[in-house]
Amino acid sequence: RKEVEQDPGPFNVPEGATVAFNCTYSNSASQSFFWYRQDCRKEPKLLMSVYSSGNEDGRFTAQLNRASQYISLLIRDSKLSDSATYLCAVNRVGGYNKLIFGAGTRLAVHP
Amino acid sequence: NAGVTQTPKFQVLKTGQSMTLQCAQDMNHEYMSWYRQDPGMGLRLIHYSVGAGITDQGEVPNGYNVSRSTTEDFPLRLLSAAPSQTSVYFCASSSLRQLNTEAFFGQGTRLTVV
Repeated sequence: RKEVEQDPGPFNVPEGATVAFNCTYSNSASQSFFWYRQDCRKEPKLLMSVYSSGNEDGRFTAQLNRASQYISLLIRDSKLSDSATYLCAVNRVGGYNKLIFGAGTRLAVHP
Repeated sequence: NAGVTQTPKFQVLKTGQSMTLQCAQDMNHEYMSWYRQDPGMGLRLIHYSVGAGITDQGEVPNGYNVSRSTTEDFPLRLLSAAPSQTSVYFCASSSLRQLNTEAFFGQGTRLTVV
């Protein structure tokens, strides 16, 4: 089993839709969780960190469920510009910022 | 605002050749790492370093060497290139002073081994 798993998608949604991605992790002692966005043929960039209490940044909401060992990303009112691959990342305990990434979920928003 | 700079952006190698991918950061980050990204596999950690003179292996270290003689630079060496090393390589850096710190990535090196 992979340490961090994501549904690869693609998720094809119309503009204005709400879409949610989940990411499961296997190491129950993991401490830090992140969502990164990667545009085609570009480097990943941090979208948001995921905190225990959940956090929101505009149209984006991230949640952490430690009991079930998953993190989620909710995107409301999808825009064409949200089309990208979304990577979840989890730090490996004892590994400082040694991030382990999921394979990514591809989102395509269409008019 | 250079951030993390990788060179070259593209490279074609013949099987058996060696080369060094360069990575430099100007943010005084202690932590630097190399990933490779293959279709459907996500980013896989090759090697990482927590400071000058300290390196360690990641998930897929075979066929690669690293060194960290300065805080700024973290080159990745392919000893004898193989077609299986065809991939996109990303260098990343982050600060160790906090736990939830952002990793900054270079623009990537697209490597093809023929």
